[in-house]
Amino acid sequence: AQKVTQAQTEISVVEKEDVTLDCVYETRDTTYYLFWYKQPPSGELVFLIRRNSFDEQNEISGRYSWNFQKSTSSFNFTITASQVVDSAVYFCALSGNRGKLIFGQGTELSVKP
Amino acid sequence: DAGVTQSPTHLIKTRGQHVTLRCSPISGHKSVSWYQQVLGQGPQFIFQYYEKEERGRGNFPDRFSARQFPNYSSELNVNALLLGDSALYLCASSLTQGPNTGELFFGEGSRLTVL
Repeated sequence: AQKVTQAQTEISVVEKEDVTLDCVYETRDTTYYLFWYKQPPSGELVFLIRRNSFDEQNEISGRYSWNFQKSTSSFNFTITASQVVDSAVYFCALSGNRGKLIFGQGTELSVKP
Repeated sequence: DAGVTQSPTHLIKTRGQHVTLRCSPISGHKSVSWYQQVLGQGPQFIFQYYEKEERGRGNFPDRFSARQFPNYSSELNVNALLLGDSALYLCASSLTQGPNTGELFFGEGSRLTVL
């Protein structure tokens, strides 16, 4: 079975703090993709990153960084020096068969000034 | 350039009615997927269409149906609405068939309330 677990339902931080959002996945596929999306109150899912299962290099994009560890089936997302505009619900997702994405339950991040 | 557009943005229906939701993909995108997002949960896959053919279907009852038109726009139909169908319905488009080969771009969704 394929599954994505985001154990943190809500996280609250003060601006400029670093925050890490956890994601653990399950799959029997040898080739798969992992994603992170941001969902602001408007509802639109905004793509942040896609990582394939053969590429375990960590990635950094501005204040965002991702740590993919195949050995622990985790794909964690860190925001450095958080800002109020980072407040949103963040979803981790796994590519499944038949063209679908399997999403976790999401982590609601609240960044307070 | 326009992103993925969905209509209507909000609608209210009563139990037993049917609803049609519409989606226009990004120009040039041939694949459209539909997801249901119940409040407080992650999106759940309903359908995927590529080149006007159904290529994937999630665990939803036959009350849910969809189609893709020659211009690659899509409709999601839900019959005999139940209270539990209340959700945000998201449409996503992509150039290719699946997320393994391309990025999915999502619209802002259609928020359905069933009373």
